[in-house]
Amino acid sequence: GQQLNQSPQSMFIQEGEDVSMNCTSSSIFNTWLWYKQDPGEGPVLLIALYKAGELTSNGRLTAQFGITRKDSFLNISASIPSDVGIYFCASEGDWETSGSRLTFGEGTQLTVNP
Amino acid sequence: DSGVTQTPKHLITATGQRVTLRCSPRSGDLSVYWYQQSLDQGLQFLIQYYNGEERAKGNILERFSAQQFPDLHSELNLSSLELGDSALYFCASSPGQYQETQYFGPGTRLLVL
Repeated sequence: GQQLNQSPQSMFIQEGEDVSMNCTSSSIFNTWLWYKQDPGEGPVLLIALYKAGELTSNGRLTAQFGITRKDSFLNISASIPSDVGIYFCASEGDWETSGSRLTFGEGTQLTVNP
Repeated sequence: DSGVTQTPKHLITATGQRVTLRCSPRSGDLSVYWYQQSLDQGLQFLIQYYNGEERAKGNILERFSAQQFPDLHSELNLSSLELGDSALYFCASSPGQYQETQYFGPGTRLLVL
C-alpha cells in the first residue's frame, strides 16, 4: 500500500531555532496536509497543499508541495515552547485507487527547550 | 475547536464486549471519516461515509462496522473486542467527498482489558 516516510522521527531544539521536517513517498499524491497533534487530542490542521510546487505559509509555518508530487516539507521558524507536539504529514492520492482516505506519516516528535 | 464532536472521550471495557463510538461532523459537512491510532500502527484510515453512503474502506476489521445517519452523525461499532483494539479512535469530517480538508475530532480513547 501507499506509505509516507516522515523524517526526522524526533527533534530536540532550543527556543528560537528553526525546524524543518519532510515527507517522501514512492507514490504520487494529489494533496499534502500537515497536522499537529498534542497529547490526548485530535490532529489539528496546520497547512493544506493542493498543487505541485505550491508554497504556503501560515504564520511561522511554511510548507511546500514537491514538484514531483512525491514529497513535502514543513518549516517552523523561530520556534517557541508551544510548538511542542507531534507533527504529521498526510496525503490523499488518486480517487480511483485510494478514494479520499488520508495516508499519514509516522510523525515527528518536536521538543523545544526554553 | 474543530467543530467535530466525539463521544465518549474515554471508554474502558472487557474483551469480547461491544462498544459504539459516536461522531457529529462539523455543521454542513457531508463526509465522515473514521481513523484508528495505535502505538504500533500509527494513524490508519478505517472507513468513510458521504451523505449516508459508504464511500471508501480501509483496513477495517470485519468485527467493526459503521454507519452514517440522516442527520449526518456517524457511529462506529466495535464488537468481540480484543486487547489489540485498544487505541485512539478519531472521527474527521469534510464538506465533500474528495480533495477536501479533513477536520478531526478530539477522539475516543478505548481501553480493552
